[in-house]
Amino acid sequence: DAKTTQPNSMESNEEEPVHLPCNHSTISGTDYIHWYRQLPSQGPEYVIHGLTSNVNNRMASLAIAEDRKSSTLILHRATLRDAAVYYCILRDPSGTYKYIFGTGTRLKVLA
Amino acid sequence: DTGVSQDPRHKITKRGQNVTFRCDPISEHNRLYWYRQTLGQGPEFLTYFQNEAQLEKSRLLSDRFSAERPKGSFSTLEIQRTEQGDSAMYLCASSAGGATYEQYFGPGTRLTVT
Repeated sequence: DAKTTQPNSMESNEEEPVHLPCNHSTISGTDYIHWYRQLPSQGPEYVIHGLTSNVNNRMASLAIAEDRKSSTLILHRATLRDAAVYYCILRDPSGTYKYIFGTGTRLKVLA
Repeated sequence: DTGVSQDPRHKITKRGQNVTFRCDPISEHNRLYWYRQTLGQGPEFLTYFQNEAQLEKSRLLSDRFSAERPKGSFSTLEIQRTEQGDSAMYLCASSAGGATYEQYFGPGTRLTVT
């Protein structure tokens, strides 16, 4: 199974950028890297995904290493509403559609 | 709101009872997924439907678990002879077909087995 490794927790001050790292050294050439986040008492929500190039959307940016063995989710200005568990996910190559969530990174945003 | 809905939101049952959960996906989505999440862990994949066909099942899905998606619309997840270890949040997600990978999750059904 394709696995990801993330720090258990991180802290950030409000209004400052946050860089959430993810290692995925066993990634295959066709795996997309997905990021989801889960706010308290809610289901996960999509944040961003990418394959090789860096990606930006209204929520965040995704920086992917040239060898694709790691990636970083960037929240440009953290707000209290960004406090959540962030999951870095690879599509499992043994299953066409399922995703394997790890334990994620719990982000705490300090006012 | 046309997001994914799940019913009930909470269920308390006694060990040995059967329970059934319902998921209504986003209407135009042909892919539907069930996940289970225990405290402090990320969601674990249980099963996947494309339209009405159940195309993949996790080894986690014992023979006490069954899922259906009649007519490719809503889906049900039934757990027979519940055990305390079945206590968890059961999440449903849906996605459109084609190259779109984004999954939209419902709020989940929290099951407590006493």
